[in-house]
Formats: sequence, C-alpha cells, structure tokens
Amino acid sequence: DIQMTQSPSSLSASVGDRVTITCRASQGVNNYLAWFQQKPGKAPKSLIYGVSSLHSGVPSKFSGSASGTDFTLTISSLQPEDSATYYCQQYHAYPYTFGQGTKLEIK
Amino acid sequence: QLQLQESGPGLVRPSETLSLTCIVSDDSLSSQDYYWGWVRQPPEKGLEWIGSFYYTEGRYYNTSLKSRATFSVDTSKNHLYLRLTSVTAADTAVYYCARSPRAASYEFWGQGTLVTVSS
Repeated sequence: DIQMTQSPSSLSASVGDRVTITCRASQGVNNYLAWFQQKPGKAPKSLIYGVSSLHSGVPSKFSGSASGTDFTLTISSLQPEDSATYYCQQYHAYPYTFGQGTKLEIK
Repeated sequence: QLQLQESGPGLVRPSETLSLTCIVSDDSLSSQDYYWGWVRQPPEKGLEWIGSFYYTEGRYYNTSLKSRATFSVDTSKNHLYLRLTSVTAADTAVYYCARSPRAASYEFWGQGTLVTVSS
C-alpha cells in the first residue's frame, strides 16, 4: 500500500496568514493526488485533484503543488472559516489511501 | 447539483451484516463518466477508503476489509449499496458515499451516516 504522511499534524495561524501543509507519498502516485477539507461533524469537501486543479467553486486561495513524491497544499489569506482538518489522498493505486490529517486552527 | 444521501440502520450487532444505501439524485450511476466510492471515518479518526465501484468496469475493495465488503447497484432506483459482513466494533464509523469524474478525485460527497456496532 502507498503510505501518505502529512505534516504537521496540527498548526495554528492568524487571520490573513498563509500556511502550507505537506503530504509525502511512500512511492510515486503519478500526480493522482487530492486534497479535502473537513469541518467537525461535516462530510469532507473536495478542494483539489490532480495535484493542483481546483474543483468547481473552490476559491483560488487554495493551491497545490508537487515536487517528486512531496505534495503541498497552500492556503492564503486565512479566514476563520478555513479552520478545519485537511486530508490528502492518492488515487493512483489500490487501495486508495489518505493522509492522517492536519488540523488547522485560526487564532 | 448532484446530491448523495446515505441511509442505514444506525446500530448493528457484532457478527451481523451491515447494509447501507446511497441514494443518487440523478441517473449517473450507470454512466461511464463517473466512478463511485465508499469511505468511512471511525469516531475521532481519519478517513479510510473502503472501495470503488465502476458500473462498466467492476469493483475494487480495500483488502484490509478481508473480503467482507460488497458493492451493488440498482440503476432503476439510482441506488448504490454497501454490504459489510461479520462486523465488529472496529467497523463503527460514519460511512460516506462519493462520486468522482474519470481521472479526478471525489467531487461530491454524501452527508454520511453513522453506524455503531454494539450488542
């Protein structure tokens, strides 16, 4: 199985800040990498697929990039509503696997 | 906009079979343009992929479930089903169904349904 390791597991930032969340794959995923946002008690919301393509309706403050097997989600101009847990997922090989999540707190 | 709604029993006894339904608001279950998936999330834990369903290409399951999961579909009702046998407390989770376009990740998710395995 492909292991997805996210870092940090949690972080705290202020309104207006820019943050970066990293996801490392244990082997290549051919850019089949997605990011999801999940708020407490809610279903995940799809943000990004294919490393950097935004799903419809997702604001451009969210962006994704890759360097080899390291993937990055960047969130700019943080607002209180960005407080959530963020997950990466590879959908290149079965079983599809998720990172363990990164909890973002807005101070 | 597509809507997905999961429904299930809420409580299942250990060793019994869990059956869930995902109600799809349009006719895309039989479309070659989409894949379907089930994902679960134990309380206070992360997301776990259960498997994927492709109407024209078959089904793929997470081997961690040890062949306990089965997907099926009723296109006349726009329903996708998940059946999980021999459940234990470790199967207690919120279960989600989701849809993805080809070559993309999940785009739409249901609201999830909590299943508790307990005697």
